[in-house]
Amino acid sequence: AQRVTQPEKLLSVFKGAPVELKCNYSYSGSPELFWYVQYSRQRLQLLLRHISRESIKGFTADLNKGETSFHLKKPFAQEEDSAMYYCALRVSGFQKLVFGTGTRLLVSP
Amino acid sequence: NAGVTQTPKFQVLKTGQSMTLQCAQDMNHEYMSWYRQDPGMGLRLIHYSVGAGITDQGEVPNGYNVSRSTTEDFPLRLLSAAPSQTSVYFCASKKVGADASYEQYFGPGTRLTVT
Repeated sequence: AQRVTQPEKLLSVFKGAPVELKCNYSYSGSPELFWYVQYSRQRLQLLLRHISRESIKGFTADLNKGETSFHLKKPFAQEEDSAMYYCALRVSGFQKLVFGTGTRLLVSP
Repeated sequence: NAGVTQTPKFQVLKTGQSMTLQCAQDMNHEYMSWYRQDPGMGLRLIHYSVGAGITDQGEVPNGYNVSRSTTEDFPLRLLSAAPSQTSVYFCASKKVGADASYEQYFGPGTRLTVT
């Protein structure tokens, strides 16, 4: 079965520090990976997709098929990055998304 | 566009009561889904639908029913509420197709408490 693992429930950093939110997946085929973010009192929204290979709000994520990982990185964290981050996997041929358990990022001044 | 809307925002039920959580989208999306969000468990898929008249079970379907009579609406029914169904419920939708974005749009959530 497909699974997404986010090992950290909480990640606390200071403003300006680098951030890496870990995501590992288990799936034998070609996955599509996503990061979704939920800011306080807002709805979940897409942050980025591995297919796009883009940087959004300074965040990047590279799909590493050898390590089955899709870690989210930002070189310099900002206070406004504080939020809940979910990694998600879409299995080829299906529409549904499988989500990880989420990591809460707290960026302190 | 209103996007994905959910009602009610908050609900308190007694054990054994039934109710329907409403979800609607005005983006003509074929795919709609329901998740529950619990601390430490992340988002778990309850039911989903790839079009009107088609529904399927997700990871945690027990105790919930869905139907999809129109493209716009995807209500979630709790048949006999239990305290274990206390959670935040999210509805989501997305377009399907080779040229469609794969972004899933979420509603604002319904916070349900079962006593």
